[in-house]
Amino acid sequence: NAGVTQTPKFRILKIGQSMTLQCTQDMNHNYMYWYRQDPGMGLKLIYYSVGAGITDKGEVPNGYNVSRSTTEDFPLRLELAAPSQTSVYFCASSTSGRGNNEQFFGPGTRLTVL
Amino acid sequence: GNSVTQMEGPVTLSEEAFLTINCTYTATGYPSLFWYVQYPGEGLQLLLKATKADDKGSNKGFEATYRKETTSFHLEKGSVQVSDSAVYFCALSENYGNNRLAFGKGNQVVVIP
Repeated sequence: NAGVTQTPKFRILKIGQSMTLQCTQDMNHNYMYWYRQDPGMGLKLIYYSVGAGITDKGEVPNGYNVSRSTTEDFPLRLELAAPSQTSVYFCASSTSGRGNNEQFFGPGTRLTVL
Repeated sequence: GNSVTQMEGPVTLSEEAFLTINCTYTATGYPSLFWYVQYPGEGLQLLLKATKADDKGSNKGFEATYRKETTSFHLEKGSVQVSDSAVYFCALSENYGNNRLAFGKGNQVVVIP
Protein backbone atom coordinates (compact mmCIF):
# COMPACT_ATOMS: atom_id res chain seq x y z
CA ASN A 1 0.00 0.00 0.00
CA ALA A 2 1.94 3.01 -1.29
CA GLY A 3 -0.62 5.67 -0.26
CA VAL A 4 -0.37 8.85 -2.34
CA THR A 5 2.47 9.01 -4.83
CA GLN A 6 3.57 12.03 -6.86
CA THR A 7 5.92 12.39 -9.80
CA PRO A 8 8.25 14.04 -10.51
CA LYS A 9 9.91 15.03 -7.22
CA PHE A 10 11.63 18.04 -8.77
CA ARG A 11 11.28 19.93 -12.01
CA ILE A 12 12.63 23.10 -13.57
CA LEU A 13 10.57 24.71 -16.32
CA LYS A 14 11.16 27.67 -18.57
CA ILE A 15 8.52 30.39 -18.80
CA GLY A 16 5.79 29.35 -21.22
CA GLN A 17 6.48 25.62 -21.06
CA SER A 18 3.82 23.17 -20.00
CA MET A 19 3.89 20.08 -17.84
CA THR A 20 1.72 17.63 -15.95
CA LEU A 21 2.21 16.75 -12.31
CA GLN A 22 1.12 13.20 -11.66
CA CYS A 23 -0.74 12.01 -8.57
CA THR A 24 -1.91 8.47 -7.84
CA GLN A 25 -3.49 6.95 -4.75
CA ASP A 26 -4.12 3.28 -4.04
CA MET A 27 -6.52 3.66 -1.11
CA ASN A 28 -9.68 3.82 -3.23
CA HIS A 29 -10.42 7.32 -1.95
CA ASN A 30 -13.11 9.27 -3.75
CA TYR A 31 -11.85 12.72 -2.75
CA MET A 32 -8.60 14.11 -4.07
CA TYR A 33 -6.99 17.56 -3.76
CA TRP A 34 -4.16 19.63 -5.16
CA TYR A 35 -2.45 22.22 -2.96
CA ARG A 36 0.47 24.56 -3.45
CA GLN A 37 2.79 25.59 -0.65
CA ASP A 38 4.72 28.83 -0.94
CA PRO A 39 7.58 29.70 1.46
CA GLY A 40 6.32 30.83 4.85
CA MET A 41 2.73 30.26 3.85
CA GLY A 42 0.20 27.57 4.51
CA LEU A 43 -1.16 25.38 1.79
CA LYS A 44 -3.63 26.83 -0.71
CA LEU A 45 -6.17 24.63 -2.48
CA ILE A 46 -5.88 24.69 -6.28
CA TYR A 47 -8.45 22.10 -7.40
CA TYR A 48 -10.28 19.18 -5.90
CA SER A 49 -12.34 16.22 -7.05
CA VAL A 50 -15.15 14.35 -5.34
CA GLY A 51 -14.97 11.36 -7.66
CA ALA A 52 -14.10 10.19 -11.15
CA GLY A 53 -15.32 12.69 -13.72
CA ILE A 54 -16.02 15.48 -11.22
CA THR A 55 -13.65 18.35 -10.47
CA ASP A 56 -14.03 21.81 -8.99
CA LYS A 57 -11.95 24.92 -8.38
CA GLY A 58 -10.32 25.77 -5.08
CA GLU A 59 -8.87 29.08 -3.90
CA VAL A 60 -6.14 29.53 -6.52
CA PRO A 61 -7.09 27.70 -9.76
CA ASN A 62 -5.83 30.23 -12.33
CA GLY A 63 -3.13 28.83 -14.61
CA TYR A 64 -3.96 25.20 -13.80
CA ASN A 65 -6.20 22.45 -15.10
CA VAL A 66 -7.11 19.03 -13.77
CA SER A 67 -8.88 15.89 -14.89
CA ARG A 68 -10.13 12.81 -13.05
CA SER A 69 -10.75 9.95 -15.41
CA THR A 70 -10.16 7.24 -12.78
CA THR A 71 -10.52 6.98 -9.02
CA GLU A 72 -6.76 6.50 -8.63
CA ASP A 73 -5.32 9.34 -10.72
CA PHE A 74 -5.64 13.11 -10.44
CA PRO A 75 -3.10 14.89 -12.69
CA LEU A 76 -2.49 18.64 -12.50
CA ARG A 77 -1.67 20.46 -15.74
CA LEU A 78 0.25 23.72 -16.11
CA GLU A 79 -0.26 25.04 -19.63
CA LEU A 80 1.91 28.19 -19.75
CA ALA A 81 4.30 28.16 -16.85
CA ALA A 82 4.95 31.46 -15.11
CA PRO A 83 7.45 32.36 -12.35
CA SER A 84 4.50 32.85 -9.98
CA GLN A 85 3.89 29.11 -10.21
CA THR A 86 7.22 28.32 -8.57
CA SER A 87 6.09 26.39 -5.52
CA VAL A 88 5.86 22.98 -3.88
CA TYR A 89 2.78 21.07 -4.99
CA PHE A 90 1.06 18.52 -2.81
CA CYS A 91 -1.61 16.05 -3.78
CA ALA A 92 -3.90 14.63 -1.09
CA SER A 93 -6.82 12.25 -0.81
CA SER A 94 -9.53 11.37 1.69
CA THR A 95 -12.23 8.74 2.03
CA SER A 96 -15.15 11.13 1.99
CA GLY A 97 -16.19 14.77 2.04
CA ARG A 98 -17.07 14.77 5.71
CA GLY A 99 -15.05 17.46 7.42
CA ASN A 100 -13.68 15.22 10.16
CA ASN A 101 -11.86 12.98 7.71
CA GLU A 102 -8.08 12.89 7.58
CA GLN A 103 -6.42 13.87 4.33
CA PHE A 104 -3.43 11.78 3.23
CA PHE A 105 -0.67 13.70 1.50
CA GLY A 106 1.89 12.76 -1.09
CA PRO A 107 5.57 13.72 -0.73
CA GLY A 108 5.26 16.76 -3.00
CA THR A 109 6.70 18.07 -6.28
CA ARG A 110 9.08 21.02 -6.12
CA LEU A 111 8.63 23.13 -9.25
CA THR A 112 10.81 26.05 -10.31
CA VAL A 113 9.87 28.26 -13.26
CA LEU A 114 12.70 30.38 -14.66
CA GLY B 1 -14.92 32.79 5.05
CA ASN B 2 -12.89 30.29 7.00
CA SER B 3 -9.40 31.15 8.13
CA VAL B 4 -6.71 29.97 10.52
CA THR B 5 -4.14 32.14 12.25
CA GLN B 6 -0.96 30.78 13.79
CA MET B 7 1.51 32.68 15.92
CA GLU B 8 4.28 34.35 13.95
CA GLY B 9 7.80 33.10 13.56
CA PRO B 10 9.83 29.95 14.10
CA VAL B 11 10.09 28.36 17.52
CA THR B 12 13.49 27.29 18.83
CA LEU B 13 13.74 25.45 22.11
CA SER B 14 15.91 23.01 23.99
CA GLU B 15 15.25 19.32 24.34
CA GLU B 16 12.78 18.50 27.15
CA ALA B 17 11.32 22.02 27.08
CA PHE B 18 7.58 22.71 26.98
CA LEU B 19 6.16 23.55 23.57
CA THR B 20 3.10 25.67 22.82
CA ILE B 21 2.01 26.77 19.37
CA ASN B 22 -1.00 29.07 19.25
CA CYS B 23 -3.79 28.64 16.72
CA THR B 24 -7.02 30.59 16.40
CA TYR B 25 -9.68 30.22 13.77
CA THR B 26 -12.62 31.93 12.11
CA ALA B 27 -15.40 29.78 10.72
CA THR B 28 -19.01 30.25 9.76
CA GLY B 29 -20.15 26.88 11.05
CA TYR B 30 -18.85 24.19 13.38
CA PRO B 31 -15.57 23.02 11.93
CA SER B 32 -13.30 20.11 12.67
CA LEU B 33 -9.81 21.19 13.70
CA PHE B 34 -6.51 19.55 12.85
CA TRP B 35 -2.81 19.75 13.46
CA TYR B 36 -0.66 18.46 10.62
CA VAL B 37 3.11 17.99 10.84
CA GLN B 38 5.63 18.19 8.00
CA TYR B 39 9.04 16.62 8.59
CA PRO B 40 11.91 17.80 6.38
CA GLY B 41 11.53 16.72 2.77
CA GLU B 42 8.19 15.00 3.36
CA GLY B 43 4.50 15.64 2.83
CA LEU B 44 2.12 16.57 5.60
CA GLN B 45 0.77 13.96 7.96
CA LEU B 46 -2.02 14.19 10.48
CA LEU B 47 -0.80 14.68 14.04
CA LEU B 48 -4.14 15.01 15.84
CA LYS B 49 -7.67 16.28 15.39
CA ALA B 50 -10.81 17.33 17.29
CA THR B 51 -14.25 17.36 15.75
CA LYS B 52 -16.38 19.24 18.28
CA ALA B 53 -16.12 21.77 21.06
CA ASP B 54 -14.23 20.67 24.20
CA ASP B 55 -12.77 17.63 22.43
CA LYS B 56 -9.10 16.99 23.09
CA GLY B 57 -6.96 15.50 20.37
CA SER B 58 -3.74 13.75 21.35
CA ASN B 59 -0.94 11.81 19.71
CA LYS B 60 2.78 11.21 20.32
CA GLY B 61 2.67 13.32 23.50
CA PHE B 62 1.07 16.29 21.73
CA GLU B 63 -2.32 17.62 22.80
CA ALA B 64 -4.76 20.27 21.64
CA THR B 65 -8.21 21.17 22.97
CA TYR B 66 -11.01 22.58 20.81
CA ARG B 67 -12.08 25.79 22.57
CA LYS B 68 -15.18 27.23 20.95
CA GLU B 69 -15.44 30.17 23.37
CA THR B 70 -11.97 31.44 22.42
CA THR B 71 -11.99 29.93 18.87
CA SER B 72 -8.64 28.34 19.58
CA PHE B 73 -6.84 25.02 19.15
CA HIS B 74 -3.41 25.49 20.69
CA LEU B 75 -0.86 22.69 20.36
CA GLU B 76 1.15 21.63 23.41
CA LYS B 77 3.79 19.09 24.32
CA GLY B 78 5.29 18.75 27.75
CA SER B 79 8.80 17.60 26.83
CA VAL B 80 10.02 17.94 23.25
CA GLN B 81 12.68 15.82 21.58
CA VAL B 82 15.04 16.59 18.72
CA SER B 83 12.88 14.32 16.56
CA ASP B 84 9.96 16.78 17.00
CA SER B 85 11.77 19.31 14.81
CA ALA B 86 9.34 19.94 11.95
CA VAL B 87 6.82 22.42 10.59
CA TYR B 88 3.41 22.33 12.30
CA PHE B 89 0.23 23.45 10.54
CA CYS B 90 -3.12 24.16 12.11
CA ALA B 91 -6.09 23.57 9.80
CA LEU B 92 -9.86 23.49 9.81
CA SER B 93 -12.55 21.85 7.74
CA GLU B 94 -16.25 22.48 7.78
CA ASN B 95 -18.20 19.40 8.82
CA TYR B 96 -20.29 19.60 5.67
CA GLY B 97 -19.19 20.03 2.08
CA ASN B 98 -16.10 18.60 0.48
CA ASN B 99 -13.61 18.37 3.34
CA ARG B 100 -11.72 21.37 2.05
CA LEU B 101 -8.98 22.31 4.45
CA ALA B 102 -8.02 25.89 5.35
CA PHE B 103 -4.44 26.02 6.67
CA GLY B 104 -2.53 28.39 8.86
CA LYS B 105 0.93 29.53 7.71
CA GLY B 106 2.74 26.94 9.77
CA ASN B 107 5.39 27.19 12.47
CA GLN B 108 8.90 25.86 12.11
CA VAL B 109 9.93 24.16 15.35
CA VAL B 110 13.63 23.52 15.96
CA VAL B 111 14.61 21.49 19.00
CA ILE B 112 18.23 21.80 20.08
CA PRO B 113 19.95 18.96 21.97
